[in-house]
Amino acid sequence: GAVVSQHPSWVICKSGTSVKIECRSLDFQATTMFWYRQFPKQSLMLMATSNEGSKATYEQGVEKDKFLINHASLTLSTLTVTSAHPEDSSFYICSARDGGGPEAFFGQGTRLTVV
Amino acid sequence: QKEVEQDPGPLSVPEGAIVSLNCTYSNSAFQYFMWYRQYSRKGPELLMYTYSSGNKEDGRFTAQVDKSSKYISLFIRDSQPSDSATYLCAMSFNNNNDMRFGAGTRLTVKP
Repeated sequence: GAVVSQHPSWVICKSGTSVKIECRSLDFQATTMFWYRQFPKQSLMLMATSNEGSKATYEQGVEKDKFLINHASLTLSTLTVTSAHPEDSSFYICSARDGGGPEAFFGQGTRLTVV
Repeated sequence: QKEVEQDPGPLSVPEGAIVSLNCTYSNSAFQYFMWYRQYSRKGPELLMYTYSSGNKEDGRFTAQVDKSSKYISLFIRDSQPSDSATYLCAMSFNNNNDMRFGAGTRLTVKP
């Protein structure tokens, strides 16, 4: 299957700071990437759909000014958590499709802890 | 009613058992059905996907889709301790839409 790399795998930051998470498709081009959030023992919650060269589409209830998404190239999307608070602590995962089928391939996830 | 319902478990079975994991859904427009395996603190890993109704087999794993009942299943034969993980069902309307996930079922296979 296609490979999606996410970095960093974990990060600890202080309240009020911003954190950037990168999602790269290593062996294919992805015009669309998806960003999810996952709380412990819960399923994936779609936050936004990232479209190369255009604005991201955010799900209802997700603050676009807090979770900034940039999809500047066909292989890279970034999620920046701005002015992070402890309640932003969570597991963030990206995914992308390689265009060959409906299945999506996921990154390794990033565990964010805001202290 | 949630679009995709999945029993979160936990489910515990002895090694070698046959495991049956299931999801139901409410929207008959779903066309693509996927099963992912997620180990703790890792991203989901695609196991199998099927289009519309029918069965698909890959090694010890068999996926079944019954669109008339809006019911999908994943069977694991000869389960191994390494199969211990959370299994997520997912479905989408077409190639381009985002997927809808079930809550995930936590499976433990005991040696």
